Amino acid sequence: GAGVSQSPSNKVTEKGKDVELRCDPISGHTALYWYRQSLGQGLEFLIYFQGNSAPDKSGLPSDRFSAERTGGSVSTLTIQRTQQEDSAVYLCASSFPAGTGSYEQYFGPGTRLTVT
Amino acid sequence: AQTVTQSQPEMSVQEAETVTLSCTYDTSENNYYLFWYKQPPSRQMILVIRQEAYKQQNATENRFSVNFQKAAKSFSLKISDSQLGDTAMYFCAFMMGSSNTGKLIFGQGTTLQVKP
Repeated sequence: GAGVSQSPSNKVTEKGKDVELRCDPISGHTALYWYRQSLGQGLEFLIYFQGNSAPDKSGLPSDRFSAERTGGSVSTLTIQRTQQEDSAVYLCASSFPAGTGSYEQYFGPGTRLTVT
Repeated sequence: AQTVTQSQPEMSVQEAETVTLSCTYDTSENNYYLFWYKQPPSRQMILVIRQEAYKQQNATENRFSVNFQKAAKSFSLKISDSQLGDTAMYFCAFMMGSSNTGKLIFGQGTTLQVKP
């Protein structure tokens, strides 16, 4: 079946503009994650969605970052008033719910965001 | 807080030879999972191998195996018969077993170059 898809693949934006990044998880996966990978760095957890439960937003770096997940499927990560330090690859992953024993996370190809 | 450390930023190996990538972690938890992910230039994160902390036997997946030393909090990856397609960045990752979110905590990564 189809894997996790993300769009756009690359995004260049000017400092101060808002951007929206989209993630389409694997069908049937109720858990969805966003991670950020800055240049030459490991991945940093941003936010987690599980079904209709309140998301775990503990990794969001500032209030300029927000995310939503509509209908338990597609998710959008929004960055307002982008700054140059927001330049990174944003990766989305999906899985079956945490604690079910099927804990493998499947990653999308990421969106490379460049803030000029 | 849990941390994951990969002390080798870059490594190289000749095709068909064996290479070992190091990873150490810090946690006070007893129930957790460890992973090695591969990220080729395409940016797609691919799960290579996983280890449940409660299992004493080291995980093996074809040419990939781990040396899991729970007391030493060490989780190294051995790649046997290295192939050109193994060239990628490799990330070690940790997940708490008791976590409600299943978020992964990643190391900084090791770039592996397989030379012909």
